[in-house]
Amino acid sequence: GENVEQHPSTLSVQEGDSAVIKCTYSDSASNYFPWYKQELGKGPQLIIDIRSNVGEKKDQRIAVTLNKTAKHFSLHITETQPEDSAVYFCAASKGYQKVTFGIGTKLQVIP
Amino acid sequence: KAGVTQTPRYLIKTRGQQVTLSCSPISGHRSVSWYQQTPGQGLQFLFEYFSETQRNKGNFPGRFSGRQFSNSRSEMNVSTLELGDSALYLCASSLGGNSYGYTFGSGTRLTVV
Repeated sequence: GENVEQHPSTLSVQEGDSAVIKCTYSDSASNYFPWYKQELGKGPQLIIDIRSNVGEKKDQRIAVTLNKTAKHFSLHITETQPEDSAVYFCAASKGYQKVTFGIGTKLQVIP
Repeated sequence: KAGVTQTPRYLIKTRGQQVTLSCSPISGHRSVSWYQQTPGQGLQFLFEYFSETQRNKGNFPGRFSGRQFSNSRSEMNVSTLELGDSALYLCASSLGGNSYGYTFGSGTRLTVV
């Protein structure tokens, strides 16, 4: 089955700096790659996603890139703010198969 | 629109007991998936139901079971609880295929003592 590896497990950045979280997947047939943000006491929330026919997608301060050949994708957050502090999860899936999540990255933005 | 509702939010049970957790998906969403979240293991997939049928299943023992009703509401049941079952159980709904993205509920925090 699919295996998703995510790193780093923790990340501390100064407010205003950029943060990058990277994931790799094992199943070359996976075609959907969402990213979720989980704040304390809440369920994960979808923040951005990308499909295998697209190499990059941007939404305001967040962007995701996908390299199908290398089977890795990354989340980029620019101009980080304290409210970006949370746990971020990457995930991969194909068709109607289950969604497999990475282990999560705890991002701390230091004011 | 209303989000995904999970009840109860918190639960304390004794080893050996059984528990039932409930999830009401977003109106119109026919797929409901369940995940177990623990600090060391991340989000582990339990099962997915679509139109009252189990479509995908994770690698959990048979003590973990679920079902979905005709209104798409779903329940999961854990029998003969063990200490290791203590976790946050998350329900996620989606439109259909797993390429639409999930909407998660806030979860049920289960503590087994």
